Amino acid sequence: DAGITQSPRHKVTETGTPVTLRCHQTENHRYMYWYRQDPGHGLRLIHYSYGVKDTDKGEVSDGYSVSRSKTEDFLLTLESATSSQTSVYFCAISDGTAYEQYFGPGTRLTVT
Amino acid sequence: GQNIDQPTEMTATEGAIVQINCTYQTSGFNGLFWYQQHAGEAPTFLSYNVLDGLEEKGRFSSFLSRSKGYSYLLLKELQMKDSASYLCAVRLNRDDKIIFGKGTRLHILP
Repeated sequence: DAGITQSPRHKVTETGTPVTLRCHQTENHRYMYWYRQDPGHGLRLIHYSYGVKDTDKGEVSDGYSVSRSKTEDFLLTLESATSSQTSVYFCAISDGTAYEQYFGPGTRLTVT
Repeated sequence: GQNIDQPTEMTATEGAIVQINCTYQTSGFNGLFWYQQHAGEAPTFLSYNVLDGLEEKGRFSSFLSRSKGYSYLLLKELQMKDSASYLCAVRLNRDDKIIFGKGTRLHILP
């Protein structure tokens, strides 16, 4: 299994509070991704990174920001959480050559 | 915009064959993935097609036609453990931006 972890695995927070989710990899892969998965919508790309300090927006980036200061960590921040951001968040990594993406175990976030 | 379509749900019988279709209309194309996802778990990689044709891997095969914007995943000798969602995804560009369809939930009946 690829070395990819997410923290926390579960979080309940209140509307309006800031939340940061962490993705950590030990594979030294160049590319990292944040997706959210909701019933009826499938996996939707929030942001992705193609290198340290290099990030780009995905399909549903509003309300989210990311940072990647080193290869192994990719942080997703909800500056002011809303109930519409209740979801399961998956991080993924790829090296761009092996044609595979490896997914982390997911973080279940509930915003009340 | 980007559009990746797959059927929402399918049902098949244990031991049978099922084909899950995926059509895409995207701003770029640099390959197509199929993933399997069991309920409550992360997606796991099944196959990747970048050229037209059929790729076979055990009981699973994947086909791609770039001119038609079409792919399918073929599952043979279905087993109960194949009950899962199957996700079609497109790599849009060389910077590895990858987006997904909504997934097809496959039910296997004994």
